[in-house]
Amino acid sequence: DSGVTQTPKHLITATGQRVTLRCSPRSGDLSVYWYQQSLDQGLQFLIQYYNGEERAKGNILERFSAQQFPDLHSELNLSSLELGDSALYFCASSVAATSGRFTDTQYFGPGTRLTVL
Amino acid sequence: AQKITQTQPGMFVQEKEAVTLDCTYDTSDQSYGLFWYKQPSSGEMIFLIYQGSYDEQNATEGRYSLNFQKARKSANLVISASQLGDSAMYFCAISGTAAGNKLTFGGGTRVLVKP
Repeated sequence: DSGVTQTPKHLITATGQRVTLRCSPRSGDLSVYWYQQSLDQGLQFLIQYYNGEERAKGNILERFSAQQFPDLHSELNLSSLELGDSALYFCASSVAATSGRFTDTQYFGPGTRLTVL
Repeated sequence: AQKITQTQPGMFVQEKEAVTLDCTYDTSDQSYGLFWYKQPSSGEMIFLIYQGSYDEQNATEGRYSLNFQKARKSANLVISASQLGDSAMYFCAISGTAAGNKLTFGGGTRVLVKP
C-alpha cells in the first residue's frame, strides 16, 4: 500500500459525459501528479500540482482539468468524454515539487479505470 | 525532451534465476533521476528502485539492483532469485531538470516467471 488513495476504482460512463476522479496523497506529500495509461499511448504525464498550485502540464487535453484543494487532495475532471478517453488514470504523490538530485520518488495510487461506452 | 527505450517487450525467466531488464534513455539534462516501477496484473504501480545521475554507486534494494552505465545511457534492472510474484510489467522512467519532477516512462517489459 503506497498510502495514496484514489476513488472510484472503476468508472463506466457514456460518451459526452463528465466525470471526476479523486486522489488523496500520502501524508506529508505536497505534490500530486496525474498520469494516464492507455494501450496506444502508454503511460503519459498529464499535470502536476504542488501545494495547491499548478506546477507542470503535460499532454492534457483541454477537456480535462484538475485542481488541488487546501487539504491537498486533488481532483481530475474529464468532460465531453470520448471513447479514446478510456484508460487507467493514476494519481501519484511526492514530498516536493522538484528536487535537485531527483530523490523525490513518486508513489502511485491504485488507479481509476475509466471505461467510456 | 526525454525518452526511455525498453527494447524487450516480454521475457520468460525460470524461478530462482536472475533476470536483467534493459533500459536506455536519452536526455539533455545534466541532472536526472532514473526509476523502475512494477505493475502486476492487478494494475497498481509499485516503486522499486531509484538511481540518481550523480550517484557513483549502483543502487540496490533487496533483490533489485540497477546496473547504471552513464556513458552508455543505460539503467538496466537486475532482479535476482526470481519469484513467481515477480511476474508483472516493469517500467523504466526518467525525470530531469527541464522536466521538473514529471516522469517519462518507457513502454515496459512484461516478465513471466516460470515455476
